Amino acid sequence: GIQVEQSPPDLILQEGANSTLRCNFSDSVNNLQWFHQNPWGQLINLFYIPSGTKQNGRLSATTVATERYSLLYISSSQTTDSGVYFCAGLAGSARQLTFGSGTQLTVLP
Amino acid sequence: KAGVTQTPRYLIKTRGQQVTLSCSPISGHRSVSWYQQTPGQGLQFLFEYFSETQRNKGNFPGRFSGRQFSNSRSEMNVSTLELGDSALYLCASSFSSVTDSFFGQGTRLTVV
Repeated sequence: GIQVEQSPPDLILQEGANSTLRCNFSDSVNNLQWFHQNPWGQLINLFYIPSGTKQNGRLSATTVATERYSLLYISSSQTTDSGVYFCAGLAGSARQLTFGSGTQLTVLP
Repeated sequence: KAGVTQTPRYLIKTRGQQVTLSCSPISGHRSVSWYQQTPGQGLQFLFEYFSETQRNKGNFPGRFSGRQFSNSRSEMNVSTLELGDSALYLCASSFSSVTDSFFGQGTRLTVV
């Protein structure tokens, strides 16, 4: 199966700062998603982005499929952005999402 | 449109017992997959069902099993519970296995 690496593992920001989270995958993927895990454990969909760039408010994501990485940008961060961010990919005929180990984001007031 | 619903939300069981968790997918979604999340191992794939057929299974012992009904609802069962089975169990549904997946709130299982 594919390997998914996320960086950095931990990130501490002051409210209002911008940040970039990275996801590298070991093989081509045909499904790439970013999630935010809330304090109660639910994974909230942020982006479905196997390639290209998408934006949703203060968040945007870019996947460069040919170079096997994806970036999640958070601008003007707020305390409510705190939590763990995961990327997950699905490759080939495997019908299972492979998750990275996550980035723990803490936004300080 | 209702999201993915998992029941129960919390569960405490004793070693050796068995447990059944339930997942109702988003209406119209036929693919249901299950994941286990632990602090040490992260998020790991358990299995995926599509139209009542298990199409893929992760690297878990046979104590972990599942099924899917004709209305796409799915259950997973863990028999002979071990302390290490304590985890957050997450269910995801998707229209197909290559479209985006949507997760339920999870079932937090504690084995004592």
